[in-house]
Amino acid sequence: DQQVKQNSPSLSVQEGRISILNCDYTNSMFDYFLWYKKYPAEGPTFLISISSIKDKNEDGRFTVFLNKSAKHLSLHIVPSQPGDSAVYFCAARDAGGTSYGKLTFGQGTILTVHP
Amino acid sequence: DAGITQSPRHKVTETGTPVTLRCHQTENHRYMYWYRQDPGHGLRLIHYSYGVKDTDKGEVSDGYSVSRSKTEDFLLTLESATSSQTSVYFCASLGEDYGYTFGSGTRLTVV
Repeated sequence: DQQVKQNSPSLSVQEGRISILNCDYTNSMFDYFLWYKKYPAEGPTFLISISSIKDKNEDGRFTVFLNKSAKHLSLHIVPSQPGDSAVYFCAARDAGGTSYGKLTFGQGTILTVHP
Repeated sequence: DAGITQSPRHKVTETGTPVTLRCHQTENHRYMYWYRQDPGHGLRLIHYSYGVKDTDKGEVSDGYSVSRSKTEDFLLTLESATSSQTSVYFCASLGEDYGYTFGSGTRLTVV
């Protein structure tokens, strides 16, 4: 049972345009959501996060939106740059007391930004 | 350098042999995790540790064991490797900002 889903395996956009990556979740106990970026032959790196008490968080070109009623979050990258080409993982943390910080990850979306 | 170091980076092993992957962190983080990355599945949790000698199973723990004798070291062992364990393995530790620091990964091939 996949609790965090990224239904688009890949996304291709033109440099300078907006990239929108989507993520859906099923577990109502998730209280914190994160996006990670991964280049080939490297480990994932933290990009941006959002608490469930907020609906938007911005950091430079990156904005994450959270719609709790729809159990949906999205990552917007504006403007997209060729260096943004990578795999993006959505992740969620369970608020349960024994979660020990465990994260549940989505399948990932491969973003390709064309010059 | 601070952060997480995984070793080896690449390994090819034969079916039925034991394999140990190593993870070393210099952040003094309490919580550590082992994930595997497979196409179509993203990152799946194998085992995690919430302190020295304190470990528990994750989502895909069958065929794996772990040990944590020191804060900085977290070992993942495949007791008898199978082809289904061919994967890329990532170690991570949890920082105060709820974000993980990941190692660079170990690409394991079981032939």
